[in-house]
Amino acid sequence: QVQLQQSGPGLVKPSQTLSLTCAISGDSVSSNSATWNWIRQSPSRGLEWLGRTYYRSKWSNDYALSVKSRITVSPDTSENQFSLQLNSVTPEDTAVYFCARGDVNKRVLDYWGRGTLVTVSS
Amino acid sequence: DIVLTQSPDSLAVSLGERATINCKSSQSVFFSSRNKDSLAWYQQKPGQPPKLLIYWASTRESGVPDRFSGSGSGTDFTLSISSLQAEDVAVYYCHQYSTIPLTFGGGTKVEIK
Repeated sequence: QVQLQQSGPGLVKPSQTLSLTCAISGDSVSSNSATWNWIRQSPSRGLEWLGRTYYRSKWSNDYALSVKSRITVSPDTSENQFSLQLNSVTPEDTAVYFCARGDVNKRVLDYWGRGTLVTVSS
Repeated sequence: DIVLTQSPDSLAVSLGERATINCKSSQSVFFSSRNKDSLAWYQQKPGQPPKLLIYWASTRESGVPDRFSGSGSGTDFTLSISSLQAEDVAVYYCHQYSTIPLTFGGGTKVEIK
């Protein structure tokens, strides 16, 4: 059974960097059968996929255009986790952030973290 | 980006009755290498992450009750709950995973009449 445990601050000041981590149990961040994703949810934007990292003989990333200039999703193989960094945040980045696994066979996001409410405010 | 439009925004159904939710895609989500439509349905209850119900448009995730079913192809899809139970009160989302960026519908809130 895959479990994703999210951690990170719930309050970030405008213009600073939002950083969240998703610890994986029951799978490996280096698996060739998974992708590791970040999604956020807010009343104004609904569910919005932000980006992902995955390993297929080398590490790769895909990002949503809306955040591409500000986002980094990166693996940490030593801790079997992956992280989200979102730079230069504004109040519009206030949302619940989820990490999720994409299964390469089903191709769908099948396991999700519980979510972290991140508020951008001074 | 593929835009998913759900209808209705909300619906109220009596216990034991059928609930039907529609999802229309702005372009085909057919995944040719699998010969399947890359369309999923999720259920979300307050304070919880989305829970996967259906993928490949009609394949039920393990453990999901068989009163949940998905149908459709190409650009038009439907989630049906054959006999609504109290625990089915939630918001339901369609999701396409055919093309990056992954996108979600706006959600349909299901309540008890």
